[in-house]
Amino acid sequence: AQRVTQPEKLLSVFKGAPVELKCNYSYSGSPELFWYVQYSRQRLQLLLRHISRESIKGFTADLNKGETSFHLKKPFAQEEDSAMYYCAPWGSGNTPLVFGKGTRLSVIA
Amino acid sequence: NAGVTQTPKFRVLKTGQSMTLLCAQDMNHEYMYWYRQDPGMGLRLIHYSVGEGTTAKGEVPDGYNVSRLKKQNFLLGLESAAPSQTSVYFCASRLEGGPSEQFFGPGTRLTVL
Repeated sequence: AQRVTQPEKLLSVFKGAPVELKCNYSYSGSPELFWYVQYSRQRLQLLLRHISRESIKGFTADLNKGETSFHLKKPFAQEEDSAMYYCAPWGSGNTPLVFGKGTRLSVIA
Repeated sequence: NAGVTQTPKFRVLKTGQSMTLLCAQDMNHEYMYWYRQDPGMGLRLIHYSVGEGTTAKGEVPDGYNVSRLKKQNFLLGLESAAPSQTSVYFCASRLEGGPSEQFFGPGTRLTVL
């Protein structure tokens, strides 16, 4: 069965510290992977996707097929990064995005 | 271009009442989805549609029904609301095929007393 795991419910870091939000997936084949972000009381929005290999708001994510991971990283956390982050693999064709349970990032001033 | 909109934004129901949540998108997307968001549970897929006139069950479909009579609208119905359906409901849509971005609505906060 397709699964995605975000092991941390809550991650607290100090402003300026590095951040790593973990995501592990269990999929057959080679899924495409997305990270979505939800700021307080706002709708979810796409943060970045593996296929485009871009950096958004200083965040990057590397797909590690050997470890089946797609961890989200940022070298220096900012207070405005405080939000809920969801990892979402996409299989193929008509299959819906499956979201992890999310990690709440709290950046402390 | 409004994107994905949801009606209503908030609603309070009594147990046993029924209601319909409306999702509309103006991006000509084929795929539409209904999720519920609960603390500690993340986003769980209720039902989805891969085109006008089609619907399919997601992870937690019990107690909900959906209809996609028009391509731009996706309705979520609760026939007999229960307190366990207290949640924030999000609608989303995306283009057909490929690993395309999924666009979300602003959410509907539903409380069932």
